[in-house]
Amino acid sequence: NAGVTQTPKFQVLKTGQSMTLQCAQDMNHEYMSWYRQDPGMGLRLIHYSVGAGITDQGEVPNGYNVSRSTTEDFPLRLLSAAPSQTSVYFCASSYRQGTNQPQHFGDGTRLSIL
Amino acid sequence: AQKITQTQPGMFVQEKEAVTLDCTYDTSDQSYGLFWYKQPSSGEMIFLIYQGSYDEQNATEGRYSLNFQKARKSANLVISASQLGDSAMYFCAMREGPSNDYKLSFGAGTTVTVRA
Repeated sequence: NAGVTQTPKFQVLKTGQSMTLQCAQDMNHEYMSWYRQDPGMGLRLIHYSVGAGITDQGEVPNGYNVSRSTTEDFPLRLLSAAPSQTSVYFCASSYRQGTNQPQHFGDGTRLSIL
Repeated sequence: AQKITQTQPGMFVQEKEAVTLDCTYDTSDQSYGLFWYKQPSSGEMIFLIYQGSYDEQNATEGRYSLNFQKARKSANLVISASQLGDSAMYFCAMREGPSNDYKLSFGAGTTVTVRA
């Protein structure tokens, strides 16, 4: 029962480098999201997708790109890493329809930008 | 405007006692869902309890219960008979309806420390 799998768990980057955070779910969920967690600010939505081929911006999308070519995968790309992107990143998934659907979270990726 | 407000950054509770974590929310949707998540020091996000906006009864899940006051837009989490393993960060979250694309908004969280 894998659920939502995020890789890597930890990553250190230099300013200006690019990288992709991977997220995969095996629950056939339509809805997937990326959040970042910073101290004192809870989780903030970066991008989300309501189904394959459809993505949209959340609260803090600048500096990040996403794509959704399959139902299972929702990678997050940092185009040119900046120290302000040092954070813990969570991927989550759920069924799209219904306000009663809890989101299931991956274990997170701790990212440090030097 | 903040959609979810948690006013208690940190709380201490004695083992076996109950603790109430405050959460207020702001939405113009008639249909929405309220969720509480637990984040232990290991970092994962654990779903605890859900309350729907049309639910007339307060939600309960084991030692967790939700004190839902719709008119006051509050959804406080009550943890009864606290255990050392309850020490964690707790997040209140709200999922709004189709006009907001079912997005989930989080509060800043409350850190609970259970003392032996």
